[in-house]
Amino acid sequence: DTEVTQTPKHLVMGMTNKKSLKCEQHMGHRAMYWYKQKAKKPPELMFVYSYEKLSINESVPSRFSPECPNSSLLNLHLHALQPEDSALYLCASTSGLGNEQFFGPGTRLTVL
Amino acid sequence: GENVEQHPSTLSVQEGDSAVIKCTYSDSASNYFPWYKQELGKRPQLIIDIRSNVGEKKDQRIAVTLNKTAKHFSLHITETQPEDSAVYFCASQGAQKLVFGQGTRLTINP
Repeated sequence: DTEVTQTPKHLVMGMTNKKSLKCEQHMGHRAMYWYKQKAKKPPELMFVYSYEKLSINESVPSRFSPECPNSSLLNLHLHALQPEDSALYLCASTSGLGNEQFFGPGTRLTVL
Repeated sequence: GENVEQHPSTLSVQEGDSAVIKCTYSDSASNYFPWYKQELGKRPQLIIDIRSNVGEKKDQRIAVTLNKTAKHFSLHITETQPEDSAVYFCASQGAQKLVFGQGTRLTINP
């Protein structure tokens, strides 16, 4: 299996809702990433997990809470989001620095 | 921090012609340079990459060149086809993370 999968594909939520994004890979990769991508912009790094430990947090607001339950799964918990958080959220994984990052298809998030 | 500049931001070429996209990076310790293609509504997909110990790499119609002294690298697409239309991102691997250029929207005109 050489794919990164993400659920849901689309998510619409109100500013008071709590929701979670899920990411899964079965390539044995030990580094996993969350990116946020706005229209016509490059992916913007949010979090990096290395060997299931958070190694980078790019000063992301606390309304985004990542979780890595095991080496194959990565979650992003969302709470009290703002309309400007509407974006495509991409998950990626890699076998190590300097190797290809495989991207998931993304979750298109709309915050009303 | 690491910065990657990408030019041009938009590029329109006739089908069959060549397209060139250029990037410069700031971190001299960077050693891995991937290029991603992203079609509308789809995920970024790696099309070619190059490591710092190599000056050029080719894969069919796609080639990448790297000049470590000048800290720039370029993507070359020959014999362009309509399916090459997409946004292309260059990136540079820093100490812990991949830094992306701002992207080039490539349009192939039939």
